Amino acid sequence: KQEVTQIPAALSVPEGENLVLNCSFTDSAIYNLQWFRQDPGKGLTSLLLIQSSQREQTSGRLNASLDKSSGRSTLYIAASQPGDSATYLCVTSPRGYQKVTFGTGTKLQVIP
Amino acid sequence: EAGVTQSPTHLIKTRGQQVTLRCSPISGHTSVYWYQQALGLGLQFLLWYDEGEERNRGNFPPRFSGRQFPNYSSELNVNALELEDSALYLCASSSDQDYSPLHFGNGTRLTVT
Repeated sequence: KQEVTQIPAALSVPEGENLVLNCSFTDSAIYNLQWFRQDPGKGLTSLLLIQSSQREQTSGRLNASLDKSSGRSTLYIAASQPGDSATYLCVTSPRGYQKVTFGTGTKLQVIP
Repeated sequence: EAGVTQSPTHLIKTRGQQVTLRCSPISGHTSVYWYQQALGLGLQFLLWYDEGEERNRGNFPPRFSGRQFPNYSSELNVNALELEDSALYLCASSSDQDYSPLHFGNGTRLTVT
C-alpha cells in the first residue's frame, strides 16, 4: 500500500525566503505525481504535475522535482509571499485516479 | 475555461436525513471522483464515475452512492446521515488523456447535527 509522507508538517517563514517542501512515497510504481495547494475550507488547486518519466516541472516561482528511484519529490518555492500561505499536498497515482494517495500535507505560513 | 463546480457550498442536515451533492466537471472531462475530507483527517476516496458508470468505490458503506449523467455531471447521495458524515466533500475531474491532471472543485461542507 502506497504511503506518502510530507516533511515538515508545518513551516513558518518570513516573506521573501526560498523554501523546499518534501514528499516521500513508498511505492515507486507511480504514473504521475501532482502538487496541490489547499486554502482553509476550500478545494485543492493544482500547481504542478510531473509525469513518471519526467524529472521536474516549473511554473512561475514553483519548481517540482521527482526522483522515482528514491521515492522523493520536492516543491521549491522561490521568493515566498504571504499569498503562498496554505497547506501543500503531494498526490501520487497509478494510471487512473481511483487509487490516488494523498500526502500528509505541509502547512505553510509566510509572514509579512 | 470553467473549473469543477460543486453545489451547494454548505449544507446542514440532521441525523437520519438524506442529502444530495452535485458536481459539474470541467468541459470535456469524462471522469468524476468523489472524496471525503473529515475535519483533521486526510482525503479519502469515495467513488469514481467514468462514462456514466461507477468504476470503483472506496471503503465506505452502501448508504454512500451516486451516479453520473450523460453530460458527465455527477451526484453523490448519502442516506441515513450520521454525525461522522460531517466533512468537506470534494469532487474532482480528469480527462481520459494520458497524464491528464486532476482538478478539484471547492467542495461542499456538510454538517450533520
